[in-house]
Order: sequence, then C-alpha cells, then structure tokens
Amino acid sequence: QKEVEQDPGPLSVPEGAIVSLNCTYSNSAFQYFMWYRQYSRKGPELLMYTYSSGNKEDGRFTAQVDKSSKYISLFIRDSQPSDSATYLCAMRALSGNTGKLIFGQGTTLQVKP
Amino acid sequence: DAGVTQSPTHLIKTRGQQVTLRCSPKSGHDTVSWYQQALGQGPQFIFQYYEEEERQRGNFPDRFSGHQFPNYSSELNVNALLLGDSALYLCASSLEQGAMSEAFFGQGTRLTVV
Repeated sequence: QKEVEQDPGPLSVPEGAIVSLNCTYSNSAFQYFMWYRQYSRKGPELLMYTYSSGNKEDGRFTAQVDKSSKYISLFIRDSQPSDSATYLCAMRALSGNTGKLIFGQGTTLQVKP
Repeated sequence: DAGVTQSPTHLIKTRGQQVTLRCSPKSGHDTVSWYQQALGQGPQFIFQYYEEEERQRGNFPDRFSGHQFPNYSSELNVNALLLGDSALYLCASSLEQGAMSEAFFGQGTRLTVV
C-alpha cells in the first residue's frame, strides 16, 4: 500500500464548477501538507501549504486537512480553463529541516470552456 | 529573483552511459533535494543535500549519487543508465531554518534513455 493515495482521474468539469481534489494517507507522522500544480512538461508549483489539521483559504483555493481521518482536500471555486493541470498532494513528517516530501500520484484536471 | 534553475532541459542517453544533471537553488536557499518523476506518477524522493553532505536518501540504488557545492548548487549523477531511468528529474530547493520552509521546484530535466 502506498503511503499517499490520490485518484489519478482524469477529472473533467465545466468552467465555473467547484472542483474537489482529495488524498488519503497512512502515516500518522505527517504534519505538513502541500498541494502543487503541475502543467504539462513543467515543474510542480506550490499552491497551498498547511500545518496539521484545519482549513486554509487563498483566493479561489481552499485546503482542508483532517488528520483524524488521514484525509486532505483541495477545493477550487469558479474553476477556469487555466486551472487545467495535474494537481499533486504532498506531505512530510519532519519540522525544522524540510525532510523528504511524499507525493500522491497526481490528479489530472481538465476545465472545459 | 531567479527561481530554481536546472540544466539541461532535455537529454538523450544510451543505456549504460553516465549522466550529470545540474541545479541552482533559489536565491537564499541552502538545501537541495532531487526527485524522479516517471510519466503519470508523482515525484519520488532520491536524496537531499545540506552543507555539502547527503542528509537523507530515498529508495534508489547507488548508481544515483550527488554533490552539493559551497555555493549550494548541486549535481545529480546516474551511472550505468537503464531504460527505466527515463523520467523527469526535478530539483527542489528550500531553506533549512524555518518551521514552514517551503520547497520550490525547478522545471526539471527530461532524461530519455534509449
């Protein structure tokens, strides 16, 4: 079993829809949770970074962490065609120094005009 | 402010050859990590360098080695290339100090082994 599970999709939605992306994990030591966006043939770009449980909002993006369920989510409101990309969840256990990131497989999102 | 830069962007090598990939971290960052991303998969951690030493290592064979220079730039070396080494190799830099230190990725080097 992988430490981080993420549905690869693809997920196709119409422009303006609310998108929900999710990851589950098995390692209770994970404390830091990230969402990266990766366009085709590019490096991952950090979108959201949260520590422990709770919600964090940044513009159209909301990240949720539920450590009791070992479940994290990313919501995208008013989705745009420019949001079409692969979304990677990542997490790590160590504080202070960065430690290694454990990634999910990535979910491919297509937002249709 | 230049972000993380990697070179070359693309590379084609023959099975059995050796390859060196290079990374310059984001200005002010002192820690460099390398990841391998196979097609359709998430990045897999190879190793991390801090103060010119390998600090952590993922589940990769000894054919994968690295180096960090005094200016914090880094190299990834892969010997005896296999077809399965074909992937996007990503470099990420971060700052050692800081509880919420974020990792920033470069554009990657796409390695094709034929």
